Amino acid sequence: DIQMTQSPSTLSASVGDRVTITCRASQSISSWLAWYQQKPGRAPKLLIYKASSLQSGVPSRFSGSGSGTEFTLTISSLQPDDFATYYCQQYTSYSPYTFGQGTKLEIK
Amino acid sequence: EVQLVQSGAEVKKPGESLRISCKGSGYSFTSYWISWVRQMPGKGLEWMGRIDPSDSYTNYSPSFQGHVTISTDKSISTAYLQWSSLKASDTAMYYCARTSTGFDPWGQGTLVTVSS
Repeated sequence: DIQMTQSPSTLSASVGDRVTITCRASQSISSWLAWYQQKPGRAPKLLIYKASSLQSGVPSRFSGSGSGTEFTLTISSLQPDDFATYYCQQYTSYSPYTFGQGTKLEIK
Repeated sequence: EVQLVQSGAEVKKPGESLRISCKGSGYSFTSYWISWVRQMPGKGLEWMGRIDPSDSYTNYSPSFQGHVTISTDKSISTAYLQWSSLKASDTAMYYCARTSTGFDPWGQGTLVTVSS
């Protein structure tokens, strides 16, 4: 299976900060990567698909980049609503889908 | 509105069987795969498997193959996740999700508690 490794596991930041979360795949996944946001007690929400495509309705302060094995999720200016846990996920057709272990974004 | 609505929380004893459901609405149910995802208490997301509602073809994660069964009844736009013999370690929140380029939308989750 393809392993997904996120860093950092926890990130402390302030409102207005620019933050970046990294996700690395154990082998190339082209651009078959999605990012999700999950708040406590809620289902995950799709933010980015195909590495850099913004899901409809998601604020433009969220952006994704990368291809192959290294990917990033960037929030350009943190808002109070953005403090949550973020997961990357690979969805190649030739391997079981796998998620990263998650990055908890906390208020500094 | 595209929506997946899951069945309610369950409390079961070890060894009991269980089937939980996920009903799709607002789209052509047979046009998208449905995946199931486990989230154990305080932990991350684990993909369990997926089903193509058009023909009931399934893929399972090796970690869940043989432990659960995914099925569907396309006549009522519903997917199922079932266990034949629950264990305490099956205690978790289970989500269904429409599967395409990413998972969207997700169901609201079904909490399964297995305790003697």
